[in-house]
Amino acid sequence: GNSVTQMEGPVTLSEEAFLTINCTYTATGYPSLFWYVQYPGEGLQLLLKATKADDKGSNKGFEATYRKETTSFHLEKGSVQVSDSAVYFCALSAYNAGNMLTFGGGTRLMVKP
Amino acid sequence: EAQVTQNPRYLITVTGKKLTVTCSQNMNHEYMSWYRQDPGLGLRQIYYSMNVEVTDKGDVPEGYKVSRKEKRNFPLILESPSPNQTSLYFCASSLASGNNEQFFGPGTRLTVL
Repeated sequence: GNSVTQMEGPVTLSEEAFLTINCTYTATGYPSLFWYVQYPGEGLQLLLKATKADDKGSNKGFEATYRKETTSFHLEKGSVQVSDSAVYFCALSAYNAGNMLTFGGGTRLMVKP
Repeated sequence: EAQVTQNPRYLITVTGKKLTVTCSQNMNHEYMSWYRQDPGLGLRQIYYSMNVEVTDKGDVPEGYKVSRKEKRNFPLILESPSPNQTSLYFCASSLASGNNEQFFGPGTRLTVL
C-alpha cells in the first residue's frame, strides 16, 4: 500500500535559520504530493503541492521538489520565522486510491526568537 | 466564506453513549472524508464519500458509521464509543479529482471516559 515517512520532531531552530524537513514516500504509479501545515488549535491547511516528477511546489517561502528517482519531497525554507512554528505533514494522493490522502506522522517545528 | 464546519468542537462522553459529530461544507464539493489524528500517527482516514449516497471505508473504519444524504453534510456517528476512540477528528472536503486541495474543518476533540 501507499505510505509516507517523514522525520520525527520536534525540530527546534532559531529565527532566520535554514529549514529542511525530510519526506519520502512509497506508492504505486504516480502520486500527487502535498505539504500541509497545522497551526496550534487549527485544522490543516495546504501549504504546497506537486503533481508530477520534477515539479517544484512553493508558497510563503517554502519549497519542495518532487523527486521520483529518490521518492522524496523534502520541505525547505531559507529563513524561518517564529510564525512558522507549527506541525507540518507530508502527504500523497494516488489515483489508485481515489482521492484518499495518506499522511506522514507530522513534524513539529518550533522557531525561537 | 468558503469553509468546512464541524460541531461540536469539544466533547466529553462516556463509554457506550451514542454520539454524532456533524460536518458541513459550503463549497459544493463532491468529495468528503473523516480523519482521526493521534500523536505520532499523523492523520488516518476513517471513511470517505465520493458523492451523495456513495461512501467507503478508509484505513480505520471500525466503530464508526457515516452517511451522505446531502452533498453538503457528512456526519460521523459513533454508535457505542469506547476509550480508544478518544482522539482529534477532522472533516475535509475537496473537488472530486485526486490532486485537488482538501479543505479541513477546525477539528473536534473527543474524549471517551
